[in-house]
Amino acid sequence: RKEVEQDPGPFNVPEGATVAFNCTYSNSASQSFFWYRQDCRKEPKLLMSVYSSGNEDGRFTAQLNRASQYISLLIRDSKLSDSATYLCVADPYSSASKIIFGSGTRLSIRP
Amino acid sequence: DVKVTQSSRYLVKRTGEKVFLECVQDMDHENMFWYRQDPGLGLRLIYFSYDVKMKEKGDIPEGYSVSREKKERFSLILESASTNQTSMYLCASSRRVGYSSGANVLTFGAGSRLTVL
Repeated sequence: RKEVEQDPGPFNVPEGATVAFNCTYSNSASQSFFWYRQDCRKEPKLLMSVYSSGNEDGRFTAQLNRASQYISLLIRDSKLSDSATYLCVADPYSSASKIIFGSGTRLSIRP
Repeated sequence: DVKVTQSSRYLVKRTGEKVFLECVQDMDHENMFWYRQDPGLGLRLIYFSYDVKMKEKGDIPEGYSVSREKKERFSLILESASTNQTSMYLCASSRRVGYSSGANVLTFGAGSRLTVL
């Protein structure tokens, strides 16, 4: 079993729709979580951190459920420019070399 | 603007050649990383460095070595390239954080796409 698992997708949704995807992690020692966004043939870039209390940044909402060991990303009023691959990341703090990236969920927004 | 710069965007090499991938960061970060990214496998850590001349093996170090002689520069070396090393190579850096003082936020370079024929 992978340490961080994501549905690879693709999720194909119309512009303006709300879309959500989850990521599960197996290491209960993981301390911090992030969502990175990766555009086609580009490098990953930090989208947002995920806090225990949940956090929102504009149209994006991230949630953490420690009991069930998953994090989620919700995108409201999706735009064409949201089309990308979204990578889930778990950081156990113990060493930067232990940061684990999920394989990514591909999202495609259609007009 | 914070930057991680990788020397080559695209390289084509032949089996058995020695390959150098260079990475430079201008953020005075202590940590530097080399990952490779393959479809369906995500990012896999090759090597990590937490200081000058210090390194740790990642998940897939076989066939690779690294060099960090200066804080800002981290090089990945393929001593004898093989076709299964065809991949996208991503360099990243992050500030060193304490156990309870924050998490590692990585800044990536644009990537080096290596093809080994």
